[in-house]
Amino acid sequence: GNSVTQMEGPVTLSEEAFLTINCTYTATGYPSLFWYVQYPGEGLQLLLKATKADDKGSNKGFEATYRKETTSFHLEKGSVQVSDSAVYFCALTPNTNAGKSTFGDGTTLTVKP
Amino acid sequence: DAGITQSPRHKVTETGTPVTLRCHQTENHRYMYWYRQDPGHGLRLIHYSYGVKDTDKGEVSDGYSVSRSKTEDFLLTLESATSSQTSVYFCAISDQTDTQYFGPGTRLTVL
Repeated sequence: GNSVTQMEGPVTLSEEAFLTINCTYTATGYPSLFWYVQYPGEGLQLLLKATKADDKGSNKGFEATYRKETTSFHLEKGSVQVSDSAVYFCALTPNTNAGKSTFGDGTTLTVKP
Repeated sequence: DAGITQSPRHKVTETGTPVTLRCHQTENHRYMYWYRQDPGHGLRLIHYSYGVKDTDKGEVSDGYSVSRSKTEDFLLTLESATSSQTSVYFCAISDQTDTQYFGPGTRLTVL
């Protein structure tokens, strides 16, 4: 079956530091890939996505590139802010069945001033 | 923000009692999902629906049933709640673009 493996947390950074959260996946075919973010007490919300190989998703200074050759979708941000503190989830949806999404376990990011 | 509401938002119940959680959407999206979120396990899919009266199991469906009699409503039922079903439950919806939009969650405690 499909699987998503995320870098284990928690991750603690100082403000303006560079962020990388690793994500690798196992799936047949060409799934769509997503990063979702969850703030305390809320549901998940889409951060960015990519639907085919070599696509780059970007939003709010975050970026991730769909790498088919390494089955990866690592999340990066050049300069984090305190407001970026949240839990980040990598996920995939098969192109053959939108109902069967798979999520990683989540990575908790804390940014200190 | 996508129009998704969940009710109740918090519930405390006793082992062995039936519990029904409701998800309501105003977006007319085809797909609806129920997930549970537990520490160390991320989000795990319980059941999903791809249309009215069309549902399928996810990876952790044992002990749960669902129903979708209208496009806008997706019900999750715990026939006989157990302590292992204490969790935060999220409903989500999606259209053809695969992006899922999540509700605010229901915190369920089974004593």
